[in-house]
Amino acid sequence: AQKITQTQPGMFVQEKEAVTLDCTYDTSDPSYGLFWYKQPSSGEMIFLIYQGSYDQQNATEGRYSLNFQKARKSANLVISASQLGDSAMYFCAMNRRPGGFKTIFGAGTRLFVKA
Amino acid sequence: NAGVTQTPKFQVLKTGQSMTLQCAQDMNHNSMYWYRQDPGMGLRLIYYSASEGTTDKGEVPNGYNVSRLNKREFSLRLESAAPSQTSVYFCASSSLDQIRGEQFFGPGTRLTVL
Repeated sequence: AQKITQTQPGMFVQEKEAVTLDCTYDTSDPSYGLFWYKQPSSGEMIFLIYQGSYDQQNATEGRYSLNFQKARKSANLVISASQLGDSAMYFCAMNRRPGGFKTIFGAGTRLFVKA
Repeated sequence: NAGVTQTPKFQVLKTGQSMTLQCAQDMNHNSMYWYRQDPGMGLRLIYYSASEGTTDKGEVPNGYNVSRLNKREFSLRLESAAPSQTSVYFCASSSLDQIRGEQFFGPGTRLTVL
């Protein structure tokens, strides 16, 4: 069975600083995908970044990067130059690839960006 | 281009009542999903539809039924609501033609069962 663990219920970061949100996972699937989603206080879920288990390089999308360490089964999200609008819940998720319809989510980390 | 839409946004039911949550997407996606989100927890998959004409159970299907009406629409039905079904419900869609296959979510339905 697959499992996602996010051990940080809440994090604080100063505006313009970088922050790392932790995610560890467990799976027996040889090929899988890892995702990060953002949920602002307004409630919608927004896709941020994707990492395939066989991708050679760590994924980056603008200010977001994914620190993927396959041997340690970790997929931490790094947000550079934090902005006030980054204050939100962040969820790590994974599914089997290809054909991964059953996506599992972690419990989330709430990020607070201080001015 | 509205993306994924859900109706209603809010609903209050009494125990034993039934209701249907509606979801539609205009992105020509093959796959659609229903999740529930409870306080302090991430999203949990209720049912999904890999493609038009198919539906399958997710992690927490008990007490729910779904219908994939056509490629655009995927509805979730509670036949006899229970207080344990108080939650926020999200519909999502994705295209398996894309390598990432990320999901696009609707705004959610906040359901309270008294």
